[in-house]
Amino acid sequence: DGGITQSPKYLFRKEGQNVTLSCEQNLNHDAMYWYRQDPGQGLRLIYYSQIVNDFQKGDIAEGYSVSREKKESFPLTVTSAQKNPTAFYLCASSPAGNSYEQYFGPGTRLTVT
Amino acid sequence: SQELEQSPQSLIVQEGKNLTINCTSSKTLYGLYWYKQKYGEGLIFLMMLQKGGEEKSHEKITAKLDEKKQQSSLHITASQPSHAGIYLCGAGGYNFNKFYFGSGTKLNVKP
Repeated sequence: DGGITQSPKYLFRKEGQNVTLSCEQNLNHDAMYWYRQDPGQGLRLIYYSQIVNDFQKGDIAEGYSVSREKKESFPLTVTSAQKNPTAFYLCASSPAGNSYEQYFGPGTRLTVT
Repeated sequence: SQELEQSPQSLIVQEGKNLTINCTSSKTLYGLYWYKQKYGEGLIFLMMLQKGGEEKSHEKITAKLDEKKQQSSLHITASQPSHAGIYLCGAGGYNFNKFYFGSGTKLNVKP
């Protein structure tokens, strides 16, 4: 079955540690996205990538880093520079072109204490 | 940047009642997407609207994009507990290089 997987579902880290969230898709989509969702708020774009080896900052990229070495994978690293890392993180992908029907993974809930 | 404002922020309705959720954009919409999210899960695509005046339906959910293409409404007829969740509207920028979401409408349906 095609889809997007994110792992793990729940992640706990100590303050000051970097942590990498996994996102894999087998939909053959060119574009991939990372969003952050806080309680009672909508999604905010962290980073997006429209093609392998290329990515752009979204609206809240500070304290985060990404890589896109393979079409299928778009890992997100939450660095110690991110001041409020505790949140629900969602990964999505979409086909190339001007359609934005995005397919979402199940999300990773990160808790930093 | 494009801003999407949703109203109401939350809604509690009795099962069987109709309801409407609105999404207003600060700029002309070149495509408006409706998603549903169950608590703590990813988003599920519901519908996409691109043309002014366009209306689409899926089961008991109907979405419309107004003629001026700056507002969309999502209407649920005869609500059921399975409709409960968070409804989010989303839109891409003109160059389709970014995507923005509204803050969401939390819907509870009381049996």
